[in-house]
Amino acid sequence: QIQLVQSGPELKKPGESVKISCKASGYTFTDYAMHWVKQAPGKGLKWMGWINTYTGKPTYADDFKGRFVFSLEASASTANLQISNLKNEDTATYFCASPGGYWGQGVMVTVSS
Amino acid sequence: DIQMTQSPPVLSASVGDRVTLSCKASQNINKNLDWYQQKHGEAPKLLIYYTNNLQTGIPSRFSGSGSGTDYTLTISSLQPEDVATYYCYQYNSGWTFGGGTKLELK
Repeated sequence: QIQLVQSGPELKKPGESVKISCKASGYTFTDYAMHWVKQAPGKGLKWMGWINTYTGKPTYADDFKGRFVFSLEASASTANLQISNLKNEDTATYFCASPGGYWGQGVMVTVSS
Repeated sequence: DIQMTQSPPVLSASVGDRVTLSCKASQNINKNLDWYQQKHGEAPKLLIYYTNNLQTGIPSRFSGSGSGTDYTLTISSLQPEDVATYYCYQYNSGWTFGGGTKLELK
């Protein structure tokens, strides 16, 4: 069956970088886009953007342009989210999601000095 | 950008009640709307896709309707396990989530 399995929780200091992975299985990775969603503690869901898994082209929502990078390791059926120059407000759970309602379990990223 | 407004933000209801959650788009989204349920500490779960299509495995007490800018999720008979936050989201132009409706038991 289709599964998206994300990497483990991260604890980082302000200014550091983090890379989160999302490994897909149960389907042809390049057939469906991969989306990224942020959920700050106690808050709602916020769409960050998506990456075309066939061409590798990313599209970022306005609030996520600059420090956020979507990438692929297509041979490993994996999508990645990298956040640079981390800020306290980046503390959140980050989900990957593909069309059809498939979501990863989420990765909690905590940014604290 | 398309904005999605859900109402009410919090809804208290009793077991067995018929519950209606609303979602309003800032412009016509051509029925390109899904509904998700999120329980505490879990990933969102798809309930309804393309306005009124029940996802496989979802109980038939859930239903969706709407068109244009106005959409509704209905639970015909509220069950204790339905306590959760519900989100609509549109994919007519980009993706936008509504702010959510937190459903509680009275």
